Amino acid sequence: EAQVTQNPRYLITVTGKKLTVTCSQNMNHEYMSWYRQDPGLGLRQIYYSMNVEVTDKGDVPEGYKVSRKEKRNFPLILESPSPNQTSLYFCASSLGGGLQETQYFGPGTRLLVL
Amino acid sequence: GEDVEQSLFLSVREGDSSVINCTYTDSSSTYLYWYKQEPGAGLQLLTYIFSNMDMKQDQRLTVLLNKKDKHLSLRIADTQTGDSAIYFCAERPRNTGFQKLVFGTGTRLLVSP
Repeated sequence: EAQVTQNPRYLITVTGKKLTVTCSQNMNHEYMSWYRQDPGLGLRQIYYSMNVEVTDKGDVPEGYKVSRKEKRNFPLILESPSPNQTSLYFCASSLGGGLQETQYFGPGTRLLVL
Repeated sequence: GEDVEQSLFLSVREGDSSVINCTYTDSSSTYLYWYKQEPGAGLQLLTYIFSNMDMKQDQRLTVLLNKKDKHLSLRIADTQTGDSAIYFCAERPRNTGFQKLVFGTGTRLLVSP
């Protein structure tokens, strides 16, 4: 089954404790992206990747890192999480970054930083 | 600017039509999208429209685009309780090199029996 998976689905952590949210897709997609969803703000793009070893900042990259060492995986790293990073995070992938490309979304990771 | 705005909430009765509206500010956007987010799930692409079109119909869904007013709407005919979800419009602005998908704030649709 074609899908985007994220782990963990729920996470409670404390300020400053490094964490990684994994994202994996099994569709051989080149384009992957991370979003955060906050009430009243919709989805905002954090980082995206056009292909292996190619990443770029989205709208709200501060406090986040990503890596794309393999095509299928695109982990999101919070080196020193802070309470303002409490949010719902979505990973998405598409075949390419083109106009008509359908983005497939993962189920989301709900993060609470205390 | 790239702001995409939507009303936050819409409530309808089952069987009625729902109309969800969206305004965007970047006239260079070539594709505009509607996504649906069901509770506890990620976003699912419902439909999209190319900017040289005024209307697109897909079963119960009708998308209307008014480029002059930068207004996009999604009409759901014969709304069902299963249509209850958050609906996001989104655009790919030309001035971002089409790399960014800019989402609206989302409209929560509640369908009552």
